[in-house]
Amino acid sequence: DGGITQSPKYLFRKEGQNVTLSCEQNLNHDAMYWYRQDPGQGLRLIYYSQIVNDFQKGDIAEGYSVSREKKESFPLTVTSAQKNPTAFYLCASIASPGQGPGELFFGEGSRLTVL
Amino acid sequence: GQSLEQPSEVTAVEGAIVQINCTYQTSGFYGLSWYQQHDGGAPTFLSYNALDGLEETGRFSSFLSRSDSYGYLLLQELQMKDSASYFCAVLIYGQNFVFGPGTRLSVLP
Repeated sequence: DGGITQSPKYLFRKEGQNVTLSCEQNLNHDAMYWYRQDPGQGLRLIYYSQIVNDFQKGDIAEGYSVSREKKESFPLTVTSAQKNPTAFYLCASIASPGQGPGELFFGEGSRLTVL
Repeated sequence: GQSLEQPSEVTAVEGAIVQINCTYQTSGFYGLSWYQQHDGGAPTFLSYNALDGLEETGRFSSFLSRSDSYGYLLLQELQMKDSASYFCAVLIYGQNFVFGPGTRLSVLP
């Protein structure tokens, strides 16, 4: 079955530590996205990538970093510079933005808690 | 910049029809999407409007009017399992999605 796999599902971090969230898709999608969701809130864009080896900052990129070395993989690193990282992180992908039904496919999410 | 507005909460009873509105301010976009999210879960795609008018998918319909900067999601024959948060989102010409704040729908027996 095609889809997006995020890991880990739950993660606890001590302050000052960097953590990396994994996102892998086998849908052959070009574009991938990372969103952050706080309780009772909408989705805010962290980073997105439309092609391998290229990515753009979203609205809340500070304290985060990404890479896109392979089409199927888009890992997100939450660095110690992110002051309030406790949140639900969602990875998503779409085949070709603007060409087609506009359906974003989401992973199951990673819930990060800073202790 | 781009922004979308939705009502924060809507309540309806089983079997009823409910409409969730979405107004937006954006300079240019491909289309308007709707997503459903149950507590603790990931959003799932419901509908997409690239053109003005009504799109129907089973019990769910979505509408877009670009001239009015407005869209809505219509849910018919409400069921308890429809209790969730609903998000509208626009796919802007920068090729990323901007999401609304979400509407929490509560379906009462």
